[in-house]
Amino acid sequence: EVQLVETGGGLIQPGGSLRLSCAASGLIVSDNYFNWIRQAPGKGLEWVSVFYSGGNTYYADSVKGRFTITRDNSKNTLYLQMNTLRAEDTAVYYCVRAIRDDFNKVLLGFDYWGQGILVTVSS
Amino acid sequence: DIQMTQSPSSVSASVGDRVTITCRASQDISSWLAWYQQKPGKAPKLLIYAASSLQSGVPSRFSGSGSGTDFTLTITNLQPEDFATYYCQQANSIPLTFGGGTKVELK
Repeated sequence: EVQLVETGGGLIQPGGSLRLSCAASGLIVSDNYFNWIRQAPGKGLEWVSVFYSGGNTYYADSVKGRFTITRDNSKNTLYLQMNTLRAEDTAVYYCVRAIRDDFNKVLLGFDYWGQGILVTVSS
Repeated sequence: DIQMTQSPSSVSASVGDRVTITCRASQDISSWLAWYQQKPGKAPKLLIYAASSLQSGVPSRFSGSGSGTDFTLTITNLQPEDFATYYCQQANSIPLTFGGGTKVELK
């Protein structure tokens, strides 16, 4: 059974930093395409970042230069380092596995989701 | 970035109804579209990928169609557990983007 468990959320002041962790079981993080997706309270879904199995990483413009996605293969864990946090970063953050179509080189959709972790940026 | 526009933003329906939700992309995304269902306080659930492929374990009353810029999610014989919010998502290019959501409510 696949389980993704996010930790590290909480209340942080604007300008502060926070690191989210996503511990995976039932699949290997380094063999997959793992993403962070967030959802502000009462709002829709926003893709944040992806870590390709081959090592490439990509970010939404809204977080580029402030957030960094990393992984620790020995711990089978994905991370999101969030710096210079803003009020608009307040959201539930989900760790999510993407299905990959290798022939067409597209991420087809997100099939495994963590339970989500709340990050609140406020003074 | 590719913009995804869903309509309607909400729909009222009864058990047994047929519900149709549309999603329009701001540019051609071929068939690279996914649909999700989200219930309050829960993570989204993948229903459809590649516009019309049903994810394993998803009931056959859910179906997707379309290509290019216009897509549709259809729920036939709406069940009580189907009242939720539905999102489309383009998988054509990064940044991956979602529609604004459609809430299916009880009439």
